[in-house]
Amino acid sequence: DAGVIQSPRHEVTEMGQEVTLRCKPISGHNSLFWYRQTMMRGLELLIYFNNNVPIDDSGMPEDRFSAKMPNASFSTLKIQPSEPRDSAVYFCASSFTGRGTEAFFGQGTRLTVV
Amino acid sequence: SQQGEEDPQALSIQEGENATMNCSYKTSINNLQWYRQNSGRGLVHLILIRSNEREKHSGRLRVTLDTSKKSSSLLITASRAADTASYFCEGGNNRLAFGKGNQVVVIP
Repeated sequence: DAGVIQSPRHEVTEMGQEVTLRCKPISGHNSLFWYRQTMMRGLELLIYFNNNVPIDDSGMPEDRFSAKMPNASFSTLKIQPSEPRDSAVYFCASSFTGRGTEAFFGQGTRLTVV
Repeated sequence: SQQGEEDPQALSIQEGENATMNCSYKTSINNLQWYRQNSGRGLVHLILIRSNEREKHSGRLRVTLDTSKKSSSLLITASRAADTASYFCEGGNNRLAFGKGNQVVVIP
């Protein structure tokens, strides 16, 4: 398996534009997590899915953020409209939920909103 | 609430020295995991300790867990420049939320 795959790796967009980040989890994993990382706020859990169902979205900062997982092999994180303060590195991770299972992280998407 | 909250140290040590960092958590856990993040990359799993274990070793890593104090420590022995990274802990309750991390710099 190629691991967790995120795309794009880098995204530069203008304020007000819609941004869609994509994630392909490891095959067979049933949990998927989205994070945002900045120097100021550290690594924040935005939302996590279990068996394609959102379990906890309390970390989603605003209504401008939305996440979907239409099937077990794909998830998106959308920001609409984007703002400069959304600039961050966004990570996706997947795991097989169970006692003592490690999570695997993607390489991240570096988002810059100008 | 976050399941892992590292003692937010920025540790700078010489190569060959040991590095110790701490983590606390707030609720009951089934296990606790430590992860490493090299600059600009995703987190990588290092070691897991179960709630009924007190100490665990993996190579140059030693993890302790004190469930009465809701705390854990990670010791890296004989540090190397490649150990320069941020280290995060996570109390395993499936939510996978992390604290702010400990930044470790190993000077060659």
